[in-house]
Amino acid sequence: QKEVEQDPGPLSVPEGAIVSLNCTYSNSAFQYFMWYRQYSRKGPELLMYTYSSGNKEDGRFTAQVDKSSKYISLFIRDSQPSDSATYLCAMRGFFGNEKLTFGTGTRLTIIP
Amino acid sequence: DAGVTQSPTHLIKTRGQQVTLRCSPKSGHDTVSWYQQALGQGPQFIFQYYEEEERQRGNFPDRFSGHQFPNYSSELNVNALLLGDSALYLCASRSRKGIYNEQFFGPGTRLTVL
Repeated sequence: QKEVEQDPGPLSVPEGAIVSLNCTYSNSAFQYFMWYRQYSRKGPELLMYTYSSGNKEDGRFTAQVDKSSKYISLFIRDSQPSDSATYLCAMRGFFGNEKLTFGTGTRLTIIP
Repeated sequence: DAGVTQSPTHLIKTRGQQVTLRCSPKSGHDTVSWYQQALGQGPQFIFQYYEEEERQRGNFPDRFSGHQFPNYSSELNVNALLLGDSALYLCASRSRKGIYNEQFFGPGTRLTVL
């Protein structure tokens, strides 16, 4: 069993829809949670990071963490064609553990 | 600000050969990590360098080695290449004085082993 599970998709939604992306994890040592966006043939770009359970909002993006269920989500409101990319969740342990453990990524397409 | 830069962009090698990939961290960053991303997969942590020493290593064989220079740039070396080493190799940098979770990735080097 992988430490981080993420549905690879692909996921296609119409422009303007709300997108929900999810990851589950099994390692209780994970304390920091990130979402990266990766365009084709590019490196991952950090979107958001969170520590505690709850919601964190940044513009059209909301990251949600439920440590009791070991479940994290990223919501994208008013989705745009430019949001079409692969979205990767990533996790790490406490300070001193630099290793990021990634999900496989979900390929998202926003249809104009 | 140039961000994280990597060279070369693409590389084709044959089995058994050796390869060296290079990374220049974002300005002001002193810590470099290397990741391997196979097609359709998430990046896998190889190792991390700061103060010119390997500080943490992932589950990769000794064929994978690295180096960090006094100017914080880094190299990833892979010996005795296997077909399975074909992947996108990503370099990520951060500042140990900055926000802990702000790690920036470069565009990667795409390695093809024939």
